[in-house]
Amino acid sequence: DAMVIQNPRYQVTQFGKPVTLSCSQTLNHNVMYWYQQKSSQAPKLLFHYYDKDFNNEADTPDNFQSRRPNTSFCFLDIRSPGLGDAAMYLCATSSQNRGHTEAFFGQGTRLTVV
Amino acid sequence: AQKVTQAQTEISVVEKEDVTLDCVYETRDTTYYLFWYKQPPSGELVFLIRRNSFDEQNEISGRYSWNFQKSTSSFNFTITASQVVDSAVYFCALRAGGYQKVTFGTGTKLQVIP
Repeated sequence: DAMVIQNPRYQVTQFGKPVTLSCSQTLNHNVMYWYQQKSSQAPKLLFHYYDKDFNNEADTPDNFQSRRPNTSFCFLDIRSPGLGDAAMYLCATSSQNRGHTEAFFGQGTRLTVV
Repeated sequence: AQKVTQAQTEISVVEKEDVTLDCVYETRDTTYYLFWYKQPPSGELVFLIRRNSFDEQNEISGRYSWNFQKSTSSFNFTITASQVVDSAVYFCALRAGGYQKVTFGTGTKLQVIP
């Protein structure tokens, strides 16, 4: 049973055209994360939500935004995708009640910018 | 600041050989968690193990074993009798300090040759 679900698995967007990636979870975890992973690199944290509190990493470009309308869903908005934004985007969750331990990841969305 | 070093970029072994993946971490926090994740070609990050800083017991799970040594700040991962299905990128990761952020190493790509 999938616990962290990302849609779509593959997304192609045009240069400069806004795109939204979605993530949902059935774990009822209070923390949700978005990571960017470029080819042959480690995942890089973009931002996370601790409950409704948004926490942006200092080096995350303004081009990246996020929304969390409720516990189960989180969205990544890329306002004007550039060629350099082509990457795998990974959503993850973790639970405060479990002592902030391991994060559970979705299957990722591979974004192509043309 | 947290840092995770995986010095081995790529490793190739012949099926049934044992292989050890190295991980060295840096943190000033006394409470922290270490993780190993597996990333197969399909892209999702699969959680393998969690260790907290107060538990130095080594762990064995089937063909997998982990050696945590605080004295050398290492958390190494051994696969015994490797199989082709073990081929993947393996990431070591650290959560410390603010608890929300997980720092990943750069990953070790393991190729098991039949």
